[in-house]
Amino acid sequence: GAVVSQHPSWVICKSGTSVKIECRSLDFQATTMFWYRQFPKQSLMLMATSNEGSKATYEQGVEKDKFLINHASLTLSTLTVTSAHPEDSSFYICSARIPTSGISGEQFFGPGTRLTVL
Amino acid sequence: GQQLNQSPQSMFIQEGEDVSMNCTSSSIFNTWLWYKQDPGEGPVLLIALYKAGELTSNGRLTAQFGITRKDSFLNISASIPSDVGIYFCAGVYNFNKFYFGSGTKLNVKP
Repeated sequence: GAVVSQHPSWVICKSGTSVKIECRSLDFQATTMFWYRQFPKQSLMLMATSNEGSKATYEQGVEKDKFLINHASLTLSTLTVTSAHPEDSSFYICSARIPTSGISGEQFFGPGTRLTVL
Repeated sequence: GQQLNQSPQSMFIQEGEDVSMNCTSSSIFNTWLWYKQDPGEGPVLLIALYKAGELTSNGRLTAQFGITRKDSFLNISASIPSDVGIYFCAGVYNFNKFYFGSGTKLNVKP
């Protein structure tokens, strides 16, 4: 159980276009999903926390108008990189939390999406 | 934000050797998690720790939640080539805030 999928696994786009990345929890309902960005040889950087049915909470320094997050259902969150530029090229990873009563829920990660902006 | 110091940054060991890595923080966490990430993949959860002092094993992996709640270590015994990868610790604060260490890159020579 606790499988998280991401689509696409990689995408190459031209500068100025928008790219949508999907994150799905396949065998559980995730009220909370997270979006991370990872540069080569670096750790994961939390971009935003996505709560089903409400607005995402963005970390400091992350442009909410550039990285649009929608969490319309308990199994799907989407990240749209608007007007992508080469500096947006990165590995984007989503995760979903399984809330466990009384204690912190563990996060399960998707396989990641490699975005390359030409 | 919270800062996690993970060490060592990288390790080169011989197959069969034991490995130890740790994470420390200036802040208290409710939960410590250890993940492994293979190249081009998302992190995979290895061990979750929920109580100070807790010692948990998963096969050849053993992890402990420090008694001060500010640190955790991960041990891998009798390493094998497939242990190669990057290991991340994560501290959970306020039940919803995850902070990741900078990672330990493990290389195992057959």
